[in-house]
Amino acid sequence: KAGVTQTPRYLIKTRGQQVTLSCSPISGHRSVSWYQQTPGQGLQFLFEYFSETQRNKGNFPGRFSGRQFSNSRSEMNVSTLELGDSALYLCASSLGQGVGDTQYFGPGTRLTVL
Amino acid sequence: SQQGEEDPQALSIQEGENATMNCSYKTSINNLQWYRQNSGRGLVHLILIRSNEREKHSGRLRVTLDTSKKSSSLLITASRAADTASYFCATAPSYSGAGSYQLTFGKGTKLSVIP
Repeated sequence: KAGVTQTPRYLIKTRGQQVTLSCSPISGHRSVSWYQQTPGQGLQFLFEYFSETQRNKGNFPGRFSGRQFSNSRSEMNVSTLELGDSALYLCASSLGQGVGDTQYFGPGTRLTVL
Repeated sequence: SQQGEEDPQALSIQEGENATMNCSYKTSINNLQWYRQNSGRGLVHLILIRSNEREKHSGRLRVTLDTSKKSSSLLITASRAADTASYFCATAPSYSGAGSYQLTFGKGTKLSVIP
């Protein structure tokens, strides 16, 4: 099976702009989770989608949003970018039907905000 | 907030030596998982140990779990330069509900294996 793919791999934006990141899960996986990784804060959970519904959400401001489509592909959007949003954004897919299912990660999108 | 805390934060060893990393957590868990991340890349699942298991092996990896101490350790035997990476523990909560599907990751141990 093909792995989790994320596009784009690299992005450079300026403050105030918005950005959309895309994630295609492993075929058959219905759960997609998003994480923000920075050197200072480590891996921070953003949100999780299962069957097009947001099932869980981390402690991030409303500027961070996401959605999931009927084919399980997911997008996350960050509006009004701030310098502190510079990070590696990782998505992970899983079957999503068991407690603590193994997550399969994509290679990430490196976002730089100038 | 971080559930798992890895120790040490960084570890440097010679090729062929064993590497041991520890993870402590705070609340009851359903399972604990270890992941590896090569620099700036995605995480790769290594091993999962359930709360009713005490030890698990996979190739050169050995994981132990002590639920009474809320701690786990990852041992990599006969390390290789290719093992150089960051290693994260992740916990799955023992309760049911929406949040139970979510893993909580620690900040990781950065392992350097010197050839």
